[in-house]
Amino acid sequence: KAGVTQTPRYLIKTRGQQVTLSCSPISGHRSVSWYQQTPGQGLQFLFEYFSETQRNKGNFPGRFSGRQFSNSRSEMNVSTLELGDSALYLCASSLSGGGSGNTIYFGEGSWLTVV
Amino acid sequence: QKEVEQNSGPLSVPEGAIASLNCTYSDRGSQSFFWYRQYSGKSPELIMFIYSNGDKEDGRFTAQLNKASQYVSLLIRDSQPSDSATYLCAGEGSARQLTFGSGTQLTVLP
Repeated sequence: KAGVTQTPRYLIKTRGQQVTLSCSPISGHRSVSWYQQTPGQGLQFLFEYFSETQRNKGNFPGRFSGRQFSNSRSEMNVSTLELGDSALYLCASSLSGGGSGNTIYFGEGSWLTVV
Repeated sequence: QKEVEQNSGPLSVPEGAIASLNCTYSDRGSQSFFWYRQYSGKSPELIMFIYSNGDKEDGRFTAQLNKASQYVSLLIRDSQPSDSATYLCAGEGSARQLTFGSGTQLTVLP
């Protein structure tokens, strides 16, 4: 059974540019969440999608956006990149995204460096 | 602010010993709790989840949940050097998002 697949794994962008990250969840999983991990702030929730609908959003500026497609694949976009956006971006996959016993698995992440 | 607090590290234990990792949470609405292991430069790897009061065992790992005390713990028996990593505790609230603790760095000494 394939795990959560994230692309690209590593990328370097310049301040002011935008970036799009992609996530393919585990087959059959319909909930995709995105997290940002930095040494200073730890792991922080960005947003969660289920059946192409954003159900929940974390406390991040509007430069961070996402979407989910009918096949449950998801993308997140960061516009007008800032140096502080340098982080590991993690995608998490689960069956329905909530409820007891609903396991949540992470992909390998996308390492973004903004220079 | 809904928080998850983990016991301060780093934690060092000798090989073969029991490692005890602790976590408290403030959101009484949290339903499920997860323990992830993260090696340096890698993504979090799910070790266990628990949502009922009491103990849950899986091999060398035992998770314990006490909702009245808002306390979650992870015990690692027969610790191995390969268990050396950062352990992340996370609570899942009603909003279907994980709130993570800052992590506890565990070193198992050969």
